[in-house]
Amino acid sequence: DSGVTQTPKHLITATGQRVTLRCSPRSGDLSVYWYQQSLDQGLQFLIQYYNGEERAKGNILERFSAQQFPDLHSELNLSSLELGDSALYFCASAGHGTEAFFGQGTRLTVV
Amino acid sequence: LAKTTQPISMDSYEGQEVNITCSHNNIATNDYITWYQQFPSQGPRFIIQGYKTKVTNEVASLFIPADRKSSTLSLPRVSLSDTAVYYCLVGERDDKIIFGKGTRLHILP
Repeated sequence: DSGVTQTPKHLITATGQRVTLRCSPRSGDLSVYWYQQSLDQGLQFLIQYYNGEERAKGNILERFSAQQFPDLHSELNLSSLELGDSALYFCASAGHGTEAFFGQGTRLTVV
Repeated sequence: LAKTTQPISMDSYEGQEVNITCSHNNIATNDYITWYQQFPSQGPRFIIQGYKTKVTNEVASLFIPADRKSSTLSLPRVSLSDTAVYYCLVGERDDKIIFGKGTRLHILP
């Protein structure tokens, strides 16, 4: 158990819909990272937050947005979903100067 | 961020030592070298991190030559359960973490 909790574990939704993925980081970790991994594809970095502020942005679509709340949990919002958005979405957290710990992911299926 | 190059795939046998080399020619002074392991449908798991020379922990060793332009992850006496994708990452601590394509390691009985 990495200490990072992602909910829900599985999500099935229709095209055009909007979903919210939630991540609770390890206690004390200020950094949260979001990644997308499609079938047999690499881990695509989406965005990083540090103590509530956006720190780095990767290949995140405009239809996607994220935020980190004062209690340090983070949410990734995906809207106007398309079939190609079906993927595993991972969240990771890290403390200052430490390695990242990943959650078990949310498997999103868009039908 | 320094670009990394590692073999796409490797095969080995149970009980063997496996060495995976990663090339990072444009590594910067403040960059660390970090390796992660990922099993199918699971999040990556940290294996080891180093800056220079040699680092060893309970699961692996990391060898870094003086010029730091490459690094080698060494897995002693692998088992079938070591079959996974191994990622080499180079970057500053607390920076964004970018994964490449990794090395798909297949351990054979």
